[in-house]
Amino acid sequence: KNQVEQSPQSLIILEGKNCTLQCNYTVSPFSNLRWYKQDTGRGPVSLTIMTFSENTKSNGRYTATLDADTKQSSLHITASQLSDSASYICVVSVSGGGADGLTFGKGTHLIIQP
Amino acid sequence: DGGITQSPKYLFRKEGQNVTLSCEQNLNHDAMYWYRQDPGQGLRLIYYSQIVNDFQKGDIAEGYSVSREKKESFPLTVTSAQKNPTAFYLCASSIVGGSRIGEQYFGPGTRLTVT
Repeated sequence: KNQVEQSPQSLIILEGKNCTLQCNYTVSPFSNLRWYKQDTGRGPVSLTIMTFSENTKSNGRYTATLDADTKQSSLHITASQLSDSASYICVVSVSGGGADGLTFGKGTHLIIQP
Repeated sequence: DGGITQSPKYLFRKEGQNVTLSCEQNLNHDAMYWYRQDPGQGLRLIYYSQIVNDFQKGDIAEGYSVSREKKESFPLTVTSAQKNPTAFYLCASSIVGGSRIGEQYFGPGTRLTVT
């Protein structure tokens, strides 16, 4: 069964600090991996999409890495800001799969404290 | 101003009543999706549509119905047959290249409470 596991479930850090969120998956065959940011009570917003051949992608202070061999991805946030407080969702897509080929993680809830 | 909109943001209904959630997009995307989000769980796919007048069931379609009469619109009806309808509902759209799902753009969501 295709699964996406995210850790930690929740994280609290001080403003200005860096943090790394983890995503492990068992989805096969792999097509791409996406990271989304979801503010409380809002819809998710895409941060990055990585295919099999990409092992890193940045979007401002967000940097995602992908190790397709170990089936792990991480999202690194640099110099955190209060606006980074949100849930971060990892989504993995099956190659050749349609809409039902997307597997969503449960998310990591990140709180940035001043 | 391109985007995807959902209305209303909050919706309250009595048990046993059907309710329809609106989703509109002006991104010219062919594909549209409905997800349900519950606390502590990942998004679960209810229905999706890749072309007008066609749609497919997702993982949790029971108790829901949809229509796709226009490219821009994909309303979701939560029927009285849905045992646990209280949830946060998200609509999304994307381009589709063959079977490859492009980047999904999500609406702001509708929080439905049924008492």
